[in-house]
Amino acid sequence: GQNIDQPTEMTATEGAIVQINCTYQTSGFNGLFWYQQHAGEAPTFLSYNVLDGLEEKGRFSSFLSRSKGYSYLLLKELQMKDSASYLCAVRFSGYSTLTFGKGTMLLVSP
Amino acid sequence: DAGVIQSPRHEVTEMGQEVTLRCKPISGHDYLFWYRQTMMRGLELLIYFNNNVPIDDSGMPEDRFSAKMPNASFSTLKIQPSEPRDSAVYFCATNPGTSGGMLDTQYFGPGTRLTVL
Repeated sequence: GQNIDQPTEMTATEGAIVQINCTYQTSGFNGLFWYQQHAGEAPTFLSYNVLDGLEEKGRFSSFLSRSKGYSYLLLKELQMKDSASYLCAVRFSGYSTLTFGKGTMLLVSP
Repeated sequence: DAGVIQSPRHEVTEMGQEVTLRCKPISGHDYLFWYRQTMMRGLELLIYFNNNVPIDDSGMPEDRFSAKMPNASFSTLKIQPSEPRDSAVYFCATNPGTSGGMLDTQYFGPGTRLTVL
């Protein structure tokens, strides 16, 4: 199957840095997306990786290693508003859909 | 653009009743996806359309669920009869097309929170 694995929950302190990992099967990989979902709201797009390396966008960065089937989302200078669920999603070749992980619930405390 | 529009935002109904959820996609987006989200199972793809044609409905849980897309501006997801285990948040999402890359980015509507008593 096309399992996407992420930790269920993480906690961090305001101002700190947190890394949320995502692993997936490498066969047929064709792009990886990160979404943020606040409680009671819809998922919103954060980042996209298809080549190896780091993509930086303000306080958020996303890294991809295609050979390892591994990605992480790095959040710097954490703020209380970053408390949310972070979803990793992969597109596999031959499919027009995205396969989503179950999400990592991040709680940022003062 | 107003983004993906869904209605109603909240629906409370009794077991056995028919429920119809509605979605208006972003103009020009060729793909439309219906998802269900629960704490236990996460985000599950139910069905998706390409240019108004249903492509894959293998995620539809049972025959009680049906979806239509009569035109490029409108889609419905119907549950008849509804059961308590159908209680979830239902999202509609669209993307411009799957030529690869960023065009695969899906844009989600606000969702419909369904409660079946």
